[in-house]
Amino acid sequence: DTAVSQTPKYLVTQMGNDKSIKCEQNLGHDTMYWYKQDSKKFLKIMFSYNNKELIINETVPNRFSPKSPDKAHLNLHINSLELGDSAVYFCASSQRTATNEKLFFGSGTQLSVL
Amino acid sequence: GDSVTQMEGPVTLSEEAFLTINCTYTATGYPSLFWYVQYPGEGLQLLLKATKADDKGSNKGFEATYRKETTSFHLEKGSVQVSDSAVYFCALSGRGGGGSQGNLIFGKGTKLSVKP
Repeated sequence: DTAVSQTPKYLVTQMGNDKSIKCEQNLGHDTMYWYKQDSKKFLKIMFSYNNKELIINETVPNRFSPKSPDKAHLNLHINSLELGDSAVYFCASSQRTATNEKLFFGSGTQLSVL
Repeated sequence: GDSVTQMEGPVTLSEEAFLTINCTYTATGYPSLFWYVQYPGEGLQLLLKATKADDKGSNKGFEATYRKETTSFHLEKGSVQVSDSAVYFCALSGRGGGGSQGNLIFGKGTKLSVKP
């Protein structure tokens, strides 16, 4: 039933590890995103994919690599995790029509790097 | 570059009080403006939006008017409820504009707590 689902909900790991966060949307949307929300609730876009192609890639360390196997999935892989990567990561999707566009967010993955 | 500035929280109100959360923006061109709400433990949800000057967005008793002359989009509600407790984000459409929400630029969020 969940429109945009991401797993895991919580992720606790050690510095230097590699981890992945998965995201799936069942809304039939063409575009998916990853956002990062820091401890002060500041939310910033990281990546955007449209039909499996990268269209937005903000200034993000290349340790972060998004992968979109199909337009319903956008996974985020993070290599060599650092303390500063601790945050809540939100996946989102949207479908733009001639008259409207609405962004749907997942419930977030809280990443804690120790 | 484009940016959004919101009033700092937290904001604590009693039930049925009047709510205003200030939001001002800096942008080139004519962005669309949005308010998103994040309830505890959930992702963000679109609350309302306005796509051009003098438009008023409204939903669930919340309203905001796109004021180009003051570059503002303040959120208001006449009578808040405990269930309105959440974090509220003001946002504008970034480069590529045209109302596209994908490249949103968010404010830092304002936490609202409503007491019974």
